[in-house]
Amino acid sequence: KQEVTQIPAALSVPEGENLVLNCSFTDSAIYNLQWFRQDPGKGLTSLLLIQSSQREQTSGRLNASLDKSSGRSTLYIAASQPGDSATYLCAVKPGANNLFFGTGTRLTVIP
Amino acid sequence: KAGVTQTPRYLIKTRGQQVTLSCSPISGHRSVSWYQQTPGQGLQFLFEYFSETQRNKGNFPGRFSGRQFSNSRSEMNVSTLELGDSALYLCASSLGDRGVGEQYFGPGTRLTVT
Repeated sequence: KQEVTQIPAALSVPEGENLVLNCSFTDSAIYNLQWFRQDPGKGLTSLLLIQSSQREQTSGRLNASLDKSSGRSTLYIAASQPGDSATYLCAVKPGANNLFFGTGTRLTVIP
Repeated sequence: KAGVTQTPRYLIKTRGQQVTLSCSPISGHRSVSWYQQTPGQGLQFLFEYFSETQRNKGNFPGRFSGRQFSNSRSEMNVSTLELGDSALYLCASSLGDRGVGEQYFGPGTRLTVT
């Protein structure tokens, strides 16, 4: 069974700092990996989708990488802002099945 | 283009009752998936529908059921509610079959069982 782990569980950084969130998964046979953001009590906002054949995707200040063979992905956030404070979730899709989610990293950006 | 919508946004029910939640996917999306989110278990997959057919089902008891209509709107039903069913229920839509492609989530329905 696919298991997804996110480290750290929580992270506090001062505004303007660059940061990296980590995601690891046990089964490298995935179709794609998606990063989401969740604000308290709200739904999930899709940030980046990386197909299994891709190595990275970029959107604005966000860059996500995928190393399928080692079962790892990172989400890089440049020049963090207080508005980036949220829980970040990664999810992998094994084949045509449902998404398997990590437990998330709660990010706090301190003004 | 409107996003995924879910109704109602909040519900309070008592044990033993049943509840129906609704999800309208993004226009043109034919795949709808449902997830349950709790503090203890995180996000867990309930079921997935495509073109009115259930394609995949998670490890939940038979009290949890769903369906999809010809316009791709989906409903999920929970019968004989238990306290442990209190959760945020999220639905997601995607363009392709089996949820292929980017998944877009709705704001969720917060269910409280007392």
